[in-house]
Amino acid sequence: DGGITQSPKYLFRKEGQNVTLSCEQNLNHDAMYWYRQDPGQGLRLIYYSQIVNDFQKGDIAEGYSVSREKKESFPLTVTSAQKNPTAFYLCASRIQGATEAFFGQGTRLTVV
Amino acid sequence: QKEVEQNSGPLSVPEGAIASLNCTYSDRGSQSFFWYRQYSGKSPELIMFIYSNGDKEDGRFTAQLNKASQYVSLLIRDSQPSDSATYLCAVIRGTALIFGKGTTLSVSS
Repeated sequence: DGGITQSPKYLFRKEGQNVTLSCEQNLNHDAMYWYRQDPGQGLRLIYYSQIVNDFQKGDIAEGYSVSREKKESFPLTVTSAQKNPTAFYLCASRIQGATEAFFGQGTRLTVV
Repeated sequence: QKEVEQNSGPLSVPEGAIASLNCTYSDRGSQSFFWYRQYSGKSPELIMFIYSNGDKEDGRFTAQLNKASQYVSLLIRDSQPSDSATYLCAVIRGTALIFGKGTTLSVSS
């Protein structure tokens, strides 16, 4: 089945730790995105990438980092510099152009 | 002015009524517009997209776009309790997909 896989579904982080959220797609999509969603809020763009080895900051990139070494993979690292990381994180991908984005099932990150 | 604005609601309608959801955007150069539905704790799923001025219908859903007014709306006819969800409006900014905060719809039976 083609789709986007995010793992883990739930993740717990201690204060001061870096954690990495995985996002893999087998849709052969060029563009991949990371969004953050807080309760009652919409999706805020963290980082996005159009091609391998290239990515751009979104609206709330501070405290996060990404890599795009393979077309299929776009992992997100939540660093200790992100002071309020508890949120629902969504990865999406789409074909370049005016097409819709498809989403993974999300990772819920909680700081303990 | 925020890039994509939606009334957060909640919007409450009785079963069988028409629900009207609205979205405005600030970038006059935006070309592509999307409506997503998101159930609590789940990821968004695409309902409709629209690129041209006017109406686009798909079953019980109609998207309306007015580029002159920078306004896009979603009408849901014969609303069902299963339509109760948050509806997110999204526009393409360059190569990024930017979302509004969403409108929560509640359909009562």
